[in-house]
Amino acid sequence: AQSVAQPEDQVNVAEGNPLTVKCTYSVSGNPYLFWYVQYPNRGLQFLLKYITGDNLVKGSYGFEAEFNKSQTSFHLKKPSALVSDSALYFCAVRANNAGNMLTFGGGTRLMVKP
Amino acid sequence: EPEVTQTPSHQVTQMGQEVILRCVPISNHLYFYWYRQILGQKVEFLVSFYNNEISEKSEIFDDQFSVERPDGSNFTLKIRSTKLEDSAMYFCASTSVQIASETQYFGPGTRLLVL
Repeated sequence: AQSVAQPEDQVNVAEGNPLTVKCTYSVSGNPYLFWYVQYPNRGLQFLLKYITGDNLVKGSYGFEAEFNKSQTSFHLKKPSALVSDSALYFCAVRANNAGNMLTFGGGTRLMVKP
Repeated sequence: EPEVTQTPSHQVTQMGQEVILRCVPISNHLYFYWYRQILGQKVEFLVSFYNNEISEKSEIFDDQFSVERPDGSNFTLKIRSTKLEDSAMYFCASTSVQIASETQYFGPGTRLLVL
């Protein structure tokens, strides 16, 4: 079985400050990890993914995420937050031996204040 | 940029009624998925579909649910007799290939409310 945990329901950060949205996972095989963002009344937009190789993955809108195998984590980061980054962020995992389904975390609401 | 589209954006129905949710996947994609998100809960996998067959389904996807690709562009999810607990946001997704590392691209969702 595979699972994802996003321990924070909400993260508050001031504009211009760095942000981190946490994600930990559990899979039985090699993990493929994804971050999606959901703006109000919009679908899930793909941000970035980790497949293999460099543990630091860069994605859309200046976001990046760091894969840490020993800590089974894939935290989302951005050096300088924008008010427009305020949204709901979902981490998801799929194991290489676990079929087609993505398993999602519960989501973290990011609030960036001016 | 190609997008997955879904209609309707909102649907209100009476318990026991049938509903059909529609999706138009990205045009060159061959693998299609439905997920749902009950308010305040996680996004959950329902079913995957390829070559006019279900390739995988979750425990949620019981006999009340069915999927179909009625033509070359649409992919539908039918709920035969809706229950209150079917109220959720339903997301369609698609991919061009079926490998674990492939990104699933999601539509904007259909919010279903069963009264």
